[in-house]
Amino acid sequence: GAGVSQSPSNKVTEKGKDVELRCDPISGHTALYWYRQSLGQGLEFLIYFQGNSAPDKSGLPSDRFSAERTGGSVSTLTIQRTQQEDSAVYLCASSLDRGGSLNEQFFGPGTRLTVL
Amino acid sequence: AQSVTQLGSHVSVSEGALVLLRCNYSSSVPPYLFWYVQYPNQGLQLLLKYTSAATLVKGINGFEAEFKKSETSFHLTKPSAHMSDAAEYFCAVSRSGGYNKLIFGAGTRLAVHP
Repeated sequence: GAGVSQSPSNKVTEKGKDVELRCDPISGHTALYWYRQSLGQGLEFLIYFQGNSAPDKSGLPSDRFSAERTGGSVSTLTIQRTQQEDSAVYLCASSLDRGGSLNEQFFGPGTRLTVL
Repeated sequence: AQSVTQLGSHVSVSEGALVLLRCNYSSSVPPYLFWYVQYPNQGLQLLLKYTSAATLVKGINGFEAEFKKSETSFHLTKPSAHMSDAAEYFCAVSRSGGYNKLIFGAGTRLAVHP
């Protein structure tokens, strides 16, 4: 079946512009995660969505970052007034996340964001 | 708080040699531990995971890892390296129970030479 997809695969933008990154999770997966992979910081957790529960936003680096998940499926990560330090690969993952049991996170290929 | 330390940002081995990638963790609660692999320009793929069952965990592509609580370690090994194993490897920890926010190590890039 189809895996996690992300779009665009590459995004180049100018400093100060807003960008939107999209994630389509695996069908039926109720949990969705955003991570960021950058040279200076490695792989960092950003935000987590689970069903209708309030998202865990504890990893968002500033209030310029926000994310939403519509209809429990597709998610959009928005970065406002982009800065050069936002340049990174943004990874999305989804999992079944049944209750308290562990479920594997399946990762998408990522969106490479370059802020000039 | 949880954290992961991967010793060695770059490891180079000969084809056919033993692969050993080191991971130490810190966790105030019983952890779940993972190894992920990332091939160039691809997403992360799960190699194996420890979830408090057997301490020796076997994964895909001939990799295995042993959970040693006394040493707070979860090193990844493979008896014989193949050229196709060249990739970046990430160790990660999450809390047992609850949801599965992953805390990653800095990664180790494995090079395999003929």
